[in-house]
Amino acid sequence: DGGITQSPKYLFRKEGQNVTLSCEQNLNHDAMYWYRQDPGQGLRLIYYSQIVNDFQKGDIAEGYSVSREKKESFPLTVTSAQKNPTAFYLCASSTSGTGGGSTNEKLFFGSGTQLSVL
Amino acid sequence: QKEVEQNSGPLSVPEGAIASLNCTYSDRGSQSFFWYRQYSGKSPELIMSIYSNGDKEDGRFTAQLNKASQYVSLLIRDSQPSDSATYLCAVRAGGYNKLIFGAGTRLAVHP
Repeated sequence: DGGITQSPKYLFRKEGQNVTLSCEQNLNHDAMYWYRQDPGQGLRLIYYSQIVNDFQKGDIAEGYSVSREKKESFPLTVTSAQKNPTAFYLCASSTSGTGGGSTNEKLFFGSGTQLSVL
Repeated sequence: QKEVEQNSGPLSVPEGAIASLNCTYSDRGSQSFFWYRQYSGKSPELIMSIYSNGDKEDGRFTAQLNKASQYVSLLIRDSQPSDSATYLCAVRAGGYNKLIFGAGTRLAVHP
C-alpha cells in the first residue's frame, strides 16, 4: 500500500540532545513537508521541499534542520537550539509544491510523531 | 489578527442534527479552501475542498464559501458520533505555495 511512514511514534529528547524524526513516502510525490502541531493550535509549517536536494524554510524553522537526499525521504532533526520541542510532528507529501493548495492536489499526512522532553 | 480563525469549541450537537463549523480568513487574495478532519492523536484527513463562491456538496458534507465576507463554512448533516473530531480549516493565500491552518474546532456529537 502506498503512503507515508513516520517513525518513531513517540520520541523523548534529553536537554541538549539532537533527535531525528523519520519520514518516508512511496507515493512518488515530489513535494514533502514538516508541520508542528501544539495543543489547541493549528499546523505550523517548519520546512518544505519541492524537489530532491532542495528545501525551503517555513514559518517556524529556527531550531530545526532537514535534508532531502532522496525523493522518498525527508528527515527532520530537532536540534538543541529548539528550546520548546514538545509537540506533535506531522510529515506530509503532495504531487506538486503548492502545499496542498492547487485544485488537483491533495496533501497526504503521515501518522505523526509525538516528541516530548525528558 | 490571526490569518485563519476558527472557534475552538467544543461544538456539541445531538446525533442526527446539523453541525455548522465556521472559519474566517484575513487575506482577500486567498484562492483555495480546505476542511480537514482530525481524530485525537491522529493525522488530518482531507474531507472537502472549495475554490469558488457558493456551496459544494459531498454526501453529508457541504462546504460554503463567501469570498466577499472572507468566510468558509462546513455543514455536516445527520451528524453521527463518529463525526466527533477536530475540524481544521486550511487556506491557501494568494501568491503563497503553502497552506495556512486554523487552530481547529472540536465537534462532539452525542447520542
